[in-house]
Amino acid sequence: GAGVSQSPRYKVAKRGQDVALRCDPISGHVSLFWYQQALGQGPEFLTYFQNEAQLDKSGLPSDRFFAERPEGSVSTLKIQRTQQEDSAVYLCASSLGAGGSSNQPQHFGDGTRLSIL
Amino acid sequence: GENVEQHPSTLSVQEGDSAVIKCTYSDSASNYFPWYKQELGKRPQLIIDIRSNVGEKKDQRIAVTLNKTAKHFSLHITETQPEDSAVYFCATGGGNKLTFGTGTQLKVEL
Repeated sequence: GAGVSQSPRYKVAKRGQDVALRCDPISGHVSLFWYQQALGQGPEFLTYFQNEAQLDKSGLPSDRFFAERPEGSVSTLKIQRTQQEDSAVYLCASSLGAGGSSNQPQHFGDGTRLSIL
Repeated sequence: GENVEQHPSTLSVQEGDSAVIKCTYSDSASNYFPWYKQELGKRPQLIIDIRSNVGEKKDQRIAVTLNKTAKHFSLHITETQPEDSAVYFCATGGGNKLTFGTGTQLKVEL
């Protein structure tokens, strides 16, 4: 597609439920990033993939958060046993080359707005 | 880790005036400095970026300046228009992630 696509756009879940958020990066982009954006704040890094390899997961807030990119294209962010503090917009970004953020423009999707009741 | 501070948090200007947003950072290893514009409910959109070997970059009404010694960089928007109204984020890159500032709500008034 023309840009980064995320689904669903909105997700409402009850506390304790598991959720899965999907990201389709720009075709051919090697690097894929997940960010969490709380209301009124800037995006905060969660994790980074280079192709199918998860090279950095230092931003994942707890072991309830898990991300994968098994074929080096589509990625899924899974949150188990959701809690109210998980409510946020989850943004996915991709960039063309390898090497993380160094000199690489990152292109963002519209995000998934997650609300935990 | 990296710490990025952004000022002001809100900025109101008259149409046609200039707007300046400033950011400071702490990690001297940061080498990439993008600026994003985010409208309500939309994705952050890259508007301009600068790399550490360049002091200034301009693209039509938008310019960015970088002072690596002082660890600060700024966004300049000239001849502002109502469609420039949005939240603007600075960010720094180095390693595997971008670190974002807290954002500036820019309002361009008619």
